Amino acid sequence: GAVVSQHPSWVICKSGTSVKIECRSLDFQATTMFWYRQFPKQSLMLMATSNEGSKATYEQGVEKDKFLINHASLTLSTLTVTSAHPEDSSFYICSARWGDFQPQHFGDGTRLSIL
Amino acid sequence: AQKVTQAQTEISVVEKEDVTLDCVYETRDTTYYLFWYKQPPSGELVFLIRRNSFDEQNEISGRYSWNFQKSTSSFNFTITASQVVDSAVYFCALSEPNAGNMLTFGGGTRLMVKP
Repeated sequence: GAVVSQHPSWVICKSGTSVKIECRSLDFQATTMFWYRQFPKQSLMLMATSNEGSKATYEQGVEKDKFLINHASLTLSTLTVTSAHPEDSSFYICSARWGDFQPQHFGDGTRLSIL
Repeated sequence: AQKVTQAQTEISVVEKEDVTLDCVYETRDTTYYLFWYKQPPSGELVFLIRRNSFDEQNEISGRYSWNFQKSTSSFNFTITASQVVDSAVYFCALSEPNAGNMLTFGGGTRLMVKP
């Protein structure tokens, strides 16, 4: 149980393109979903927290207009990297939990490469 | 502020050796959770364990064991008789209910198990 699916797993696109990443909880309702970014050989850095039906809360230094997050249902959150540039290339990973005191379950991540 | 330190950035062992990954944390709260995650080369985060601050019992799961010592604010992870498949980056993490149970990750320890 507690499976989180993330799609796509790998994206390569040209600079200036907007890229949408989906995060789905397959067998539970996720009251909260999280988006992380991980640079090579570094730890996970929280970008934003999203609760279903409300605006995402972004961490300091994360541009909300650059990284659009939508959590329209209890099983789906999307991260859109708008007008992506090479410096946005990274590993993006989402997680979801069904309650405040439940552990986060992670998706498999998305490798984003902007040429 | 909460903080997690994994002092060992990389560890290399030969198969069948035992290895301990260190984790030291800082928190002002008396109630908190500690986690270990495994991130193999494919990138996904695999949940290994969650321990709450009131449960100091050590835990064993197969070749894995965890030693929680509140007196030293440590939550160390030992792999017995390591195998090549154990090669991965391991993250220790902390969450506090009073802070929305957000995960704070340590920097990670890259474990390389050589045949």
